[in-house]
Amino acid sequence: DAGITQSPRYKITETGRQVTLMCHQTWSHSYMFWYRQDLGHGLRLIYYSAAADITDKGEVPDGYVVSRSKTENFPLTLESATRSQTSVYFCASSESVGSPQHFGDGTRLSIL
Amino acid sequence: AQTVTQSQPEMSVQEAETVTLSCTYDTSESDYYLFWYKQPPSRQMILVIRQEAYKQQNATENRFSVNFQKAAKSFSLKISDSQLGDAAMYFCAYRSASETSGSRLTFGEGTQLTVNP
Repeated sequence: DAGITQSPRYKITETGRQVTLMCHQTWSHSYMFWYRQDLGHGLRLIYYSAAADITDKGEVPDGYVVSRSKTENFPLTLESATRSQTSVYFCASSESVGSPQHFGDGTRLSIL
Repeated sequence: AQTVTQSQPEMSVQEAETVTLSCTYDTSESDYYLFWYKQPPSRQMILVIRQEAYKQQNATENRFSVNFQKAAKSFSLKISDSQLGDAAMYFCAYRSASETSGSRLTFGEGTQLTVNP
């Protein structure tokens, strides 16, 4: 089925480890986004991408790396995980500036 | 930078009644979009309704409608005939119409809605 898929749904890792969260969409949307959601807060933008090979920082990019070699994939990497990066991570995509963003189901990441 | 404020951390409503969730935003732009998203306990982010700033008519989607006051920078959500399934966290979000903004969404901190039977 068409849609946006995140994997894994849950991940537990240790501080200092590298971890990659995957995001795949089947709509060929130009725009893709990564947000984090912390308890008591709305979603905050980490990185976004307007097209393949084009990425830019959001509000809270420190400690994260993204790439977008293909339109359909937008992985998020924590190069050296810290406890403060424990959060729920959402990937989203949209066709254009005016169209709504469609969200994946989220990844709950716990860093011990 | 744009900011979105939801001043009601929690709201409750009786089943079948009407409830209004508040949202205000700050921007210097004239062209933008506003959204309400619903997040039930399943954690999914579900689009409820969308408003284009250049349209004066308030958006409606079945039992959901908005009161968009551009001059006041206010964007409230009205839920009529509330149902138990409406219980969720509701987020207001702003999005610039400018291509240079990258189409990013700025979210408020959410309003937790409880529906009482």
